[in-house]
Amino acid sequence: SQQGEEDPQALSIQEGENATMNCSYKTSINNLQWYRQNSGRGLVHLILIRSNEREKHSGRLRVTLDTSKKSSSLLITASRAADTASYFCATEVSRGGKLIFGQGTELSVKP
Amino acid sequence: DTEVTQTPKHLVMGMTNKKSLKCEQHMGHRAMYWYKQKAKKPPELMFVYSYEKLSINESVPSRFSPECPNSSLLNLHLHALQPEDSALYLCASSQDSYLLSGNQPQHFGDGTRLSIL
Repeated sequence: SQQGEEDPQALSIQEGENATMNCSYKTSINNLQWYRQNSGRGLVHLILIRSNEREKHSGRLRVTLDTSKKSSSLLITASRAADTASYFCATEVSRGGKLIFGQGTELSVKP
Repeated sequence: DTEVTQTPKHLVMGMTNKKSLKCEQHMGHRAMYWYKQKAKKPPELMFVYSYEKLSINESVPSRFSPECPNSSLLNLHLHALQPEDSALYLCASSQDSYLLSGNQPQHFGDGTRLSIL
């Protein structure tokens, strides 16, 4: 079942600019997580936000969660060429570890 | 370097072959996962093991057979696969999937890229 939709599908920016990615989902969630995937590699966990939280920060990352709109956003500030990757949101609907991933946003940061 | 190790990195097999994918973690995690990922698509959950017991099977065809010999190891046995099974197979682990009310990040390996001839 498709739970998460992400937009944009692709984003191209210059180094130093900010990048914003959005995720929408359909059902109530336990938490929402963001992952990064570099080409040919596994996924790297970035940040987890629980359903009772509205905003979290981690370094250059800022995640917001609006459960009334069933949406989340990931902001990467002062982007670097090394941030070039695919970014996925994933929702955990209930405890048990089952994650449902969104379609992903492909971010390209040009030096 | 990832803390979840998957072997082999690449595997080419015929439709009549039997092979196994292996996954190992030494973080003391008690939940382990198998995902399938096609090119340009998100990962799709296949199986979840919690405390060495199969807790979730996402209606995966029986030609895929998971096994969890101990808390550090996870195998995926493959038999009579089809060309559409060609994909990146990702293993992941988390501290726990139930007792901590979920809310655990998952740690992924770099995957095994499987090609079925």
